[in-house]
Amino acid sequence: GENVEQHPSTLSVQEGDSAVIKCTYSDSASNYFPWYKQELGKGPQLIIDIRSNVGEKKDQRIAVTLNKTAKHFSLHITETQPEDSAVYFCAAQHSGNTPLVFGKGTRLSVIA
Amino acid sequence: DADVTQTPRNRITKTGKRIMLECSQTKGHDRMYWYRQDPGLGLRLIYYSFDVKDINKGEISDGYSVSRQAQAKFSLSLESAIPNQTALYFCATSQTGGSYGYTFGSGTRLTVV
Repeated sequence: GENVEQHPSTLSVQEGDSAVIKCTYSDSASNYFPWYKQELGKGPQLIIDIRSNVGEKKDQRIAVTLNKTAKHFSLHITETQPEDSAVYFCAAQHSGNTPLVFGKGTRLSVIA
Repeated sequence: DADVTQTPRNRITKTGKRIMLECSQTKGHDRMYWYRQDPGLGLRLIYYSFDVKDINKGEISDGYSVSRQAQAKFSLSLESAIPNQTALYFCATSQTGGSYGYTFGSGTRLTVV
């Protein structure tokens, strides 16, 4: 089955700097890759996703890139702000009829 | 009101007790999931259901059971709770017919003493 590795497990950046979180997946047939943000005391919330027919997707300060050959995808957050501090999860899905498989999460701290 | 509601939000129970965690949704989604979150281990799938008559085991189903009472309701039971089931439990929903993001509830923090 699918296996998703996520790095780093913790990340601290200065406010205004960029943050990058990387994930690798094992199943070359996986075709959907969402990212979730979990704030303290809340459930994870979808922030951006990418499908295998696209190499990059942007939404304001966040972007996701996908390298199907290397089987990895990354979340990029630019101009970080204190409210970006949270736990971020990547996930991968083989097909629409299988559940998402999540990485172990990255705790991002943005230092003001 | 929240799209995905989990009850209770917090629960402390004793070893050996039976406990049920409930999830209801107003999203109109057919698919529902139960995940467990432990520090450093991420989100691990316990059970999932793609429609009312469908139940599937996930990665860590031992010690758990589920019931899909209606499209909008999906309950998770611990038949005989043990301390290593202490964790944060999340219910999630998604649309049918392709790959879509999940909508998560706010979680149930369960402590087994």
